[in-house]
Amino acid sequence: QVQLVQSGSELKKPGASVKLSCKASGYYFSSYAIHWVRQAPGQGLEWMGWINTNTGNPTYAHGFTGRFVFSLDTSANTANLQISSLKAEDTAVYYCARVLFGELQFWGQGTLVTVSS
Amino acid sequence: SSELTQDPAVSVALGQTVRITCQGDNLRTNYASWYQQKPGQAPVLVIYSKNNRPSGIPDRFSASSSGTTASLTITGAQAEDDADYYCYSRDNTDNHYVFGPGTKVTVL
Repeated sequence: QVQLVQSGSELKKPGASVKLSCKASGYYFSSYAIHWVRQAPGQGLEWMGWINTNTGNPTYAHGFTGRFVFSLDTSANTANLQISSLKAEDTAVYYCARVLFGELQFWGQGTLVTVSS
Repeated sequence: SSELTQDPAVSVALGQTVRITCQGDNLRTNYASWYQQKPGQAPVLVIYSKNNRPSGIPDRFSASSSGTTASLTITGAQAEDDADYYCYSRDNTDNHYVFGPGTKVTVL
């Protein structure tokens, strides 16, 4: 069965960087794009962008350019999200999700990133 | 970029019907999909591609669309349907997507 397993919670200081992973299994990794979604505490879902798992080409939503980088490790069927120069407002749960057609069919369990001094 | 709007909250009596709406200019040319999220859990896709349910989603969930408004209907709401619901669609900017702000559904 399709599974997306995300890396564990992170506690970081402002200004640091963090790299989150999303390991896929149960399907051919390069056939379906991976999207990233952020959810700040008590807030709604925010689309961050997506990465083409066939070409590695990323697309970033407005507001997620510069400090946010999507990447792949295709040998490990893993998508990564790196966030640099962390700010308190980056505190959130970050989800990866696999696309069906345009919809987000399968979701990871989420990774909580806490940015605090 | 496009925006989607949703009512912040609605309530429904157990066993009754509730409709959640999502409005946005991009819905005139793009389908909305719908996600259910319960506290502390990842979202779950409940409707995709106009009015299709993934395996395991009860048939009390259905969707429709007209013009710039998409709707999710729960017919015969159950206690387990108490959750946040988000619409999602392709933005008018190619290859970009957007979520609505979410609707909190309370089953009384």
